[in-house]
Amino acid sequence: NAGVTQTPKFQVLKTGQSMTLQCAQDMNHNSMYWYRQDPGMGLRLIYYSASEGTTDKGEVPNGYNVSRLNKREFSLRLESAAPSQTSVYFCASSEVGRGPYEQYFGPGTRLTVT
Amino acid sequence: AQSVSQHNHHVILSEAASLELGCNYSYGGTVNLFWYVQYPGQHLQLLLKYFSGDPLVKGIKGFEAEFIKSKFSFNLRKPSVQWSDTAEYFCAVENDSWGKLQFGAGTQVVVTP
Repeated sequence: NAGVTQTPKFQVLKTGQSMTLQCAQDMNHNSMYWYRQDPGMGLRLIYYSASEGTTDKGEVPNGYNVSRLNKREFSLRLESAAPSQTSVYFCASSEVGRGPYEQYFGPGTRLTVT
Repeated sequence: AQSVSQHNHHVILSEAASLELGCNYSYGGTVNLFWYVQYPGQHLQLLLKYFSGDPLVKGIKGFEAEFIKSKFSFNLRKPSVQWSDTAEYFCAVENDSWGKLQFGAGTQVVVTP
């Protein structure tokens, strides 16, 4: 049982380049999330997907797009990377409803944009 | 705007000392409350959570938290810390939008031998 996996672990981009961060979960969870973690700011929600086929904006969606490819996979795309997007990105998954349900986090992707 | 505040950004203490980390939130309605921990080099994992019932919640590794509704607080405590408790601790609140967590800025805790 791998839980939540993310690729890549590290990435360096130049300003203006694009890339896709991949996330997959094997816990049959309905909901998936993308967060960014910046020093002194905790985790901020970028996008989430409450169920397969749906996505919605979180707190800081600008500059990002997402795709819920199927129940297992949820990708995050940076179309034109900017230095302000230098961060650690975490994917998470959970059940949803009147829980509370624990969110299970992946190991993170450390992204640097130069 | 709705917010989650963690009072201490950085705490240093010795082994066997007691730990209390403050967390306050500004949501007015029903909330679910969480504490997550991130050990060095690892991903976030759940320490404990509160939904309803007994406001004193026990979690893993000897941690507990108390929900005080009148103070909008959910403080984390451990009576006697160990070196292995060195980590970053995050308070998180889930309100009416199920699954959408609002995290605090985190508290870096360093336990010295």
